[in-house]
Amino acid sequence: GENVEQHPSTLSVQEGDSAVIKCTYSDSASNYFPWYKQELGKRPQLIIDIRSNVGEKKDQRIAVTLNKTAKHFSLHITETQPEDSAVYFCAASRGWRGTDKLIFGTGTRLQVFP
Amino acid sequence: DAGVIQSPRHEVTEMGQEVTLRCKPISGHDYLFWYRQTMMRGLELLIYFNNNVPIDDSGMPEDRFSAKMPNASFSTLKIQPSEPRDSAVYFCASRRRNEAFFGQGTRLTVV
Repeated sequence: GENVEQHPSTLSVQEGDSAVIKCTYSDSASNYFPWYKQELGKRPQLIIDIRSNVGEKKDQRIAVTLNKTAKHFSLHITETQPEDSAVYFCAASRGWRGTDKLIFGTGTRLQVFP
Repeated sequence: DAGVIQSPRHEVTEMGQEVTLRCKPISGHDYLFWYRQTMMRGLELLIYFNNNVPIDDSGMPEDRFSAKMPNASFSTLKIQPSEPRDSAVYFCASRRRNEAFFGQGTRLTVV
């Protein structure tokens, strides 16, 4: 079945440093890859997503890259701030028009120390 | 729009009891998902619906779990009988096109 692996499970960085989280997926038909951020005690919320027809997307301090050949994608956070501390989930879906299920990775707990 | 609404927010029940979790999706969203979140397994997809029809329930762990969506504005996830290992946070999410919106979740504790 479909599977999404995510690494690392925990990540600690100093404020101002960069953080990188990596995911691999098994279903070669996947074509939509969102990233969700979950703060402590709250619901997951979408922060950025990428479709299979592009290799990279940026939004201020966050960026995602996608390598369809290798079936992996990554989240990059630059100039980290304490408020970036949260659990981050990657996900993969076949239907970028919302036509299929979202399979999530197991999450990465990011801690940014002042 | 109030977003995806789940109830109750917290549920504590004794082993063997029936538990019903409720979800109201965002109006106009045609996909509804039920996820279970634990520390060990992250966000597991249990079941999802499209236009109120169950599409994939392969993630439902056992026959003790069942889900329904009688109309476009309401879904339930039922566990009968409940067991301590069912303790987790259960999220409902709805989707139209790309972004999936999550409810606040129901924290279930089975003692």
